[in-house]
Amino acid sequence: AQSVTQLDSHVSVSEGTPVLLRCNYSSSYSPSLFWYVQHPNKGLQLLLKYTSAATLVKGINGFEAEFKKSETSFHLTKPSAHMSDAAEYFCVVSDPVFQGGNEKLTFGTGTRLTIIP
Amino acid sequence: DGGITQSPKYLFRKEGQNVTLSCEQNLNHDAMYWYRQDPGQGLRLIYYSQIVNDFQKGDIAEGYSVSREKKESFPLTVTSAQKNPTAFYLCASSIGIGGRVGNQPQHFGDGTRLSIL
Repeated sequence: AQSVTQLDSHVSVSEGTPVLLRCNYSSSYSPSLFWYVQHPNKGLQLLLKYTSAATLVKGINGFEAEFKKSETSFHLTKPSAHMSDAAEYFCVVSDPVFQGGNEKLTFGTGTRLTIIP
Repeated sequence: DGGITQSPKYLFRKEGQNVTLSCEQNLNHDAMYWYRQDPGQGLRLIYYSQIVNDFQKGDIAEGYSVSREKKESFPLTVTSAQKNPTAFYLCASSIGIGGRVGNQPQHFGDGTRLSIL
């Protein structure tokens, strides 16, 4: 069984300072991992994905994440926070074991990022 | 522009009433999904469909029904059997089955917020 744990439900940073959103996963196989962002009353937008290529993945809006198999982590970072980064962020794991003919995504419970002016 | 359209944005249900949430996509994707989002929780899968005229139950299908008569449409009905329907409902799509679909990101609509009168 696969699972994903977002270690912080809420993170606050000052504008211009680094962002770190932590995610640990559990999977029996080599998973695919994603980070999505959700602004209020909106759907989820893909930030980046890891699919067993380079372990450092660059995404949109200056975000990146590093896959560390030894630590089963996939933390999301950004060097300098912007006010527009304030949103909910979800870490997602996809296990390659087919369930009913399709791969299943497991979502973390989300981390709310607040940017302090 | 291609994308996913969910309607209505807000919906109210009376006791004993069935309501239907619309989801339309023009991305030519084979797979479509319905998720439920509650505060402080990740997304939970209600139903998914890999191809026209076929759909599968997700983790929380009780009290819901779907149809997939057309590739671009995947409506969700919240029936009177669903005793706690108040939530944010998200529809998503992805390219589809075949190969390692887990590394195909899902594209999301902007959601429908359902409340009880």
